[in-house]
Amino acid sequence: DAGVIQSPRHEVTEMGQEVTLRCKPISGHNSLFWYRQTMMRGLELLIYFNNNVPIDDSGMPEDRFSAKMPNASFSTLKIQPSEPRDSAVYFCASSSGQGASMFGELFFGEGSRLTVL
Amino acid sequence: QKEVEQDPGPLSVPEGAIVSLNCTYSNSAFQYFMWYRQYSRKGPELLMYTYSSGNKEDGRFTAQVDKSSKYISLFIRDSQPSDSATYLCAMSNTGGFKTIFGAGTRLFVKA
Repeated sequence: DAGVIQSPRHEVTEMGQEVTLRCKPISGHNSLFWYRQTMMRGLELLIYFNNNVPIDDSGMPEDRFSAKMPNASFSTLKIQPSEPRDSAVYFCASSSGQGASMFGELFFGEGSRLTVL
Repeated sequence: QKEVEQDPGPLSVPEGAIVSLNCTYSNSAFQYFMWYRQYSRKGPELLMYTYSSGNKEDGRFTAQVDKSSKYISLFIRDSQPSDSATYLCAMSNTGGFKTIFGAGTRLFVKA
């Protein structure tokens, strides 16, 4: 399997522009997670989906951020309008076997490095 | 107070040293305790996990969990330059959906 695929790997944009990050999870995984990593705050969970349904978006910073998962093989994270403080590495991860008594390993993509000028 | 506290380091050791990495946490609902390893410009990868309290050994790596103290540790024996990476502790509740990560400790093993 190719693993979790994220695009773009690098994005440089100007403040106020819309940014769309994309993720293709591992086939057969039923949970998908979006994380943001910065030096100051570490790895923060933004939102996660189970069977394409958003379960918890309490980590989404503000209304400028939105995430969708239209089908089991694709998800997007959108920032509109972008601000310099959104500069970070955004990771998508997928998992199978999540449940009340099961451990689900997270498989991460290589990340999308976003710089907002 | 953060749910998971981890010293970001950096930690620099000579090759062959024993490395000790630690995290503390505040949420007693956590049941699964993980260590992820992240190489530069890559995504984190699971190194090992433990359910509830106790020890788990995998080759040169040993994970310990003390739920009474809310303290977890990762020991690396005979450290190698290839172990140079950022090590992130992580925890989740029984449901496993919401995995919370520590800040990560940057480790450098010098040849």
